[in-house]
Amino acid sequence: RKEVEQDPGPFNVPEGATVAFNCTYSNSASQSFFWYRQDCRKEPKLLMSVYSSGNEDGRFTAQLNRASQYISLLIRDSKLSDSATYLCVVNLFMDTGRRALTFGSGTRLQVQP
Amino acid sequence: DAGVTQSPTHLIKTRGQQVTLRCSPKSGHDTVSWYQQALGQGPQFIFQYYEEEERQRGNFPDRFSGHQFPNYSSELNVNALLLGDSALYLCASSSLAGDRVDEQYFGPGTRLTVT
Repeated sequence: RKEVEQDPGPFNVPEGATVAFNCTYSNSASQSFFWYRQDCRKEPKLLMSVYSSGNEDGRFTAQLNRASQYISLLIRDSKLSDSATYLCVVNLFMDTGRRALTFGSGTRLQVQP
Repeated sequence: DAGVTQSPTHLIKTRGQQVTLRCSPKSGHDTVSWYQQALGQGPQFIFQYYEEEERQRGNFPDRFSGHQFPNYSSELNVNALLLGDSALYLCASSSLAGDRVDEQYFGPGTRLTVT
């Protein structure tokens, strides 16, 4: 089983739609969580951190459910510019106290006019 | 404020050769992590450098090695290249200081093709 699993999509949605992605992680000792966005042939860029209480940044809302070990990302009022691959990322503290990011394979979103 | 930079942007090598990729972290960052991203996959963690030492390592063979310099820049070396090493190699920098200690910032990557 992969450490971080995501539905690869693609999710094809019209402009203005609301779309949600889920991600599950296998290691219950995972400490912190993120969503990154990656455009085609570009580097991943941090979209938002995910906090236990849930957090919102404009049209984007992230939720964390530690008991069920899943993370979600909700995008409201989708824009054409939201088309990208969304990577779920879990940061696990290692024995030495350092951290390593574990990435899911990404969920591809295509927003259509 | 310069972000993370990597060189070269593209590289073509032959099986069996060796390659060195370079990374300069974002200003103020002291930790560098390297990732390999194959087509259609998420980045896979190779290793992390802090204080010029390898601190963490992912599931990659010893053919993958690295170095961090006193100015925090880093190199990734891959020996005895295989066709399967063809990928985008990403460098990410971060800092232990402050509240946002876990956030990593990626460079544009080096696209390596092994023929």
